[in-house]
Amino acid sequence: AQSVTQLDSHVSVSEGTPVLLRCNYSSSYSPSLFWYVQHPNKGLQLLLKYTSAATLVKGINGFEAEFKKSETSFHLTKPSAHMSDAAEYFCVVSEPRGGNMLTFGGGTRLMVKP
Amino acid sequence: NAGVMQNPRHLVRRRGQEARLRCSPMKGHSHVYWYRQLPEEGLKFMVYLQKENIIDESGMPKERFSAEFPKEGPSILRIQQVVRGDSAAYFCASSPKTGTSYEQYFGPGTRLTVT
Repeated sequence: AQSVTQLDSHVSVSEGTPVLLRCNYSSSYSPSLFWYVQHPNKGLQLLLKYTSAATLVKGINGFEAEFKKSETSFHLTKPSAHMSDAAEYFCVVSEPRGGNMLTFGGGTRLMVKP
Repeated sequence: NAGVMQNPRHLVRRRGQEARLRCSPMKGHSHVYWYRQLPEEGLKFMVYLQKENIIDESGMPKERFSAEFPKEGPSILRIQQVVRGDSAAYFCASSPKTGTSYEQYFGPGTRLTVT
């Protein structure tokens, strides 16, 4: 079985300061990992994905994440937060059964203060 | 290329009624997944379908819930005799192939409210 733990349910930063959203996973397989963003009352948008290539993955809107196998982590970062980044962020691991069933973390709500 | 489409976007049902949620995958995608998001929680896998086949329904409640993906037309998630605990956002996703490296594309969701 696999699982995903997002260590912070809420993160608050000031506009222009760095963002760090933490994620740890457990998996019996070589995982594929994703970060999705969900704006209020909207669907989910893929930010970035790791699929066993480069461990530092760059995504959209200036986000990036680093896969660290030794730490079983996949933290999401951004150098400078923007007001439009305020949303819910989900760390997701893909399991090679049932197609590629996704297991979601509990989510981190990012708040950006002016 | 239109994205994943879901309708209705909002659905209100009284306890005991039936809810039917529809999902049209992206063009060329033959793999469909349904997820449920309860308030203040992450998404939970419900079922994975290919055309005319249910591949994995390990996340579906044992009673009242069913899903199909017919040869023609959208995928349908059906909830019979709804109860208040069924109130949630239901998301459909599709992918072109199966495999862990293939991302899933999500629809906007259907928000079901049971009164």
